[in-house]
Amino acid sequence: QKEVEQNSGPLSVPEGAIASLNCTYSDRGSQSFFWYRQYSGKSPELIMSIYSNGDKEDGRFTAQLNKASQYVSLLIRDSQPSDSATYLCAVNVEYGNKLVFGAGTILRVKS
Amino acid sequence: EAQVTQNPRYLITVTGKKLTVTCSQNMNHEYMSWYRQDPGLGLRQIYYSMNVEVTDKGDVPEGYKVSRKEKRNFPLILESPSPNQTSLYFCASSTYSGQGAYGYTFGSGTRLTVV
Repeated sequence: QKEVEQNSGPLSVPEGAIASLNCTYSDRGSQSFFWYRQYSGKSPELIMSIYSNGDKEDGRFTAQLNKASQYVSLLIRDSQPSDSATYLCAVNVEYGNKLVFGAGTILRVKS
Repeated sequence: EAQVTQNPRYLITVTGKKLTVTCSQNMNHEYMSWYRQDPGLGLRQIYYSMNVEVTDKGDVPEGYKVSRKEKRNFPLILESPSPNQTSLYFCASSTYSGQGAYGYTFGSGTRLTVV
């Protein structure tokens, strides 16, 4: 089993809709969780971090964490074409010494 | 400007010719890491360092070396590159606490081709 799993997509949503991206992880001891956005040909950019169960909101982005289910999600409200990118879920494992990435979900927002 | 600087951005080399990819950060971060990114496989960690003179293997360390003699620099060395090391490489840095490394700042990437 991979340490961090994401659906590769592509996930296609119309402009203005909510995009929902999901991620599961295997290390029950993980404490830190991150979402990165990567445009084609560019480096990953941190957009959200979450450490406690529940929701964390930042502008149009909401990260959700459920440690019991080992599940992290990212909601993007009012999706824009500029949100079209690959979204990477990342989880700290091995007592925080390693950051493991999922393979990423491609999001396409259609105008 | 806070940044992670990698050089070179693009490199084409031949099998067996030693090369070094440099990485430098100006944020006084304790934690630095190297990743390679391949289609369908995502980002895989090669090596990481929690501070000066402290390095450890990631998931795919074979064929690579690193050193951390200064806090700001973390070069990646390929002693004898092979075609299967053709990839996109990223250096990243972050602060580090009891909960581990916080969100990374990534360099712009180095696209390496080994022929």
